[in-house]
Amino acid sequence: SQQGEEDPQALSIQEGENATMNCSYKTSINNLQWYRQNSGRGLVHLILIRSNEREKHSGRLRVTLDTSKKSSSLLITASRAADTASYFCATDAYGLAGAGSYQLTFGKGTKLSVIP
Amino acid sequence: DTAVSQTPKYLVTQMGNDKSIKCEQNLGHDTMYWYKQDSKKFLKIMFSYNNKELIINETVPNRFSPKSPDKAHLNLHINSLELGDSAVYFCASSQRPRAGATDTQYFGPGTRLTVL
Repeated sequence: SQQGEEDPQALSIQEGENATMNCSYKTSINNLQWYRQNSGRGLVHLILIRSNEREKHSGRLRVTLDTSKKSSSLLITASRAADTASYFCATDAYGLAGAGSYQLTFGKGTKLSVIP
Repeated sequence: DTAVSQTPKYLVTQMGNDKSIKCEQNLGHDTMYWYKQDSKKFLKIMFSYNNKELIINETVPNRFSPKSPDKAHLNLHINSLELGDSAVYFCASSQRPRAGATDTQYFGPGTRLTVL
């Protein structure tokens, strides 16, 4: 079954506003990553947060992780039109695909539209 | 300086044909992956390949086979193509995972496969 699920599926905001996306997962993890995908392009890594971390910042991005609730959030502050993309969380559940497996499991993504 | 490249970018073919997609990374990474993204943007791991160790997602049909001539390349061969194989296929690479935890993955631009 799917490990990560993002919420909401789609989000539309005005330029300058903040955007918050959530991710929930089911099993214990080693780390959680967020990726961005522009239309017709590959995924680009944004930030990685380890299971023993609670919050991480990178520029206008802020990621939180609550392992007790098995959830994470991605906050983009002061959004820009160029932030329009789909955002995916990916979890690394050790051994999910077998002992010693090195695989990420992606959610279905949140499609963010930032209106100029 | 493309980090992860794939060819071709678009592939249109008839049912029953055999086709290959090539992937190359110049990042010096030890691990490479193939993902399938369906029309609903759901990204699913197909294979991970590390130092000749292949981990296969059990849901992938055996018509799909990865082939790695060297550490920098992981090609995807698909035999007897079916309509349901139509999707975007992404190659990715990362450093060798440590302690069972994956590292940041770098994605190629994707290959859009259309089976008629």
